Amino acid sequence: EDQVTQSPEALRLQEGESSSLNCSYTVSGLRGLFWYRQDPGKGPEFLFTLYSAGEEKEKERLKATLTKKESFLHITAPKPEDSATYLCAVQAGSGGSNYKLTFGKGTLLTVNP
Amino acid sequence: DGGITQSPKYLFRKEGQNVTLSCEQNLNHDAMYWYRQDPGQGLRLIYYSQIVNDFQKGDIAEGYSVSREKKESFPLTVTSAQKNPTAFYLCASSLRRDRVYGYTFGSGTRLTVV
Repeated sequence: EDQVTQSPEALRLQEGESSSLNCSYTVSGLRGLFWYRQDPGKGPEFLFTLYSAGEEKEKERLKATLTKKESFLHITAPKPEDSATYLCAVQAGSGGSNYKLTFGKGTLLTVNP
Repeated sequence: DGGITQSPKYLFRKEGQNVTLSCEQNLNHDAMYWYRQDPGQGLRLIYYSQIVNDFQKGDIAEGYSVSREKKESFPLTVTSAQKNPTAFYLCASSLRRDRVYGYTFGSGTRLTVV
């Protein structure tokens, strides 16, 4: 069974204080790893897709990296508007079951001004 | 603009009542999904559909039913058999089931039992 574990569950930062969120996974044949941002009471918003170990992607203050066992979402000089829950999900397998995304429980990030 | 529309945003259900959550997409996506989100838990898959007139149970399908009569629409019915329906429900779609495409999500429906 595919498993995704995110840590920490909650993270509180001061504005400008860089940090990283972790997503470790156990899957049979990773096809893709996804990062989403979710604001309270809203649906998740797509951030990144990573396909293979060593891959990196950046968007503004966010940078996602991938190894064979985990992914990191690095946040550089965060601002209060970066406060949200960050979700990690994996797509794995082959054949008829490769549709499914398995999600972690998320990391609640709070950035104080 | 293309996207996924979920309605209503808030829904209240009485004990023993069936309710239907609407999900419509104009992205021309093939696959559609329903997830349930509870505090402190990850998103859990209820049902998914890869093509019209076909759908499959996810991990927590008991007490729910769906239909896929049109490519654009994937309504979810929460039946009286679902004993703990209070949750945030998210509909999503993706372009192709056989490729690595992420999901596009709707804005969610919050269902509360009163």
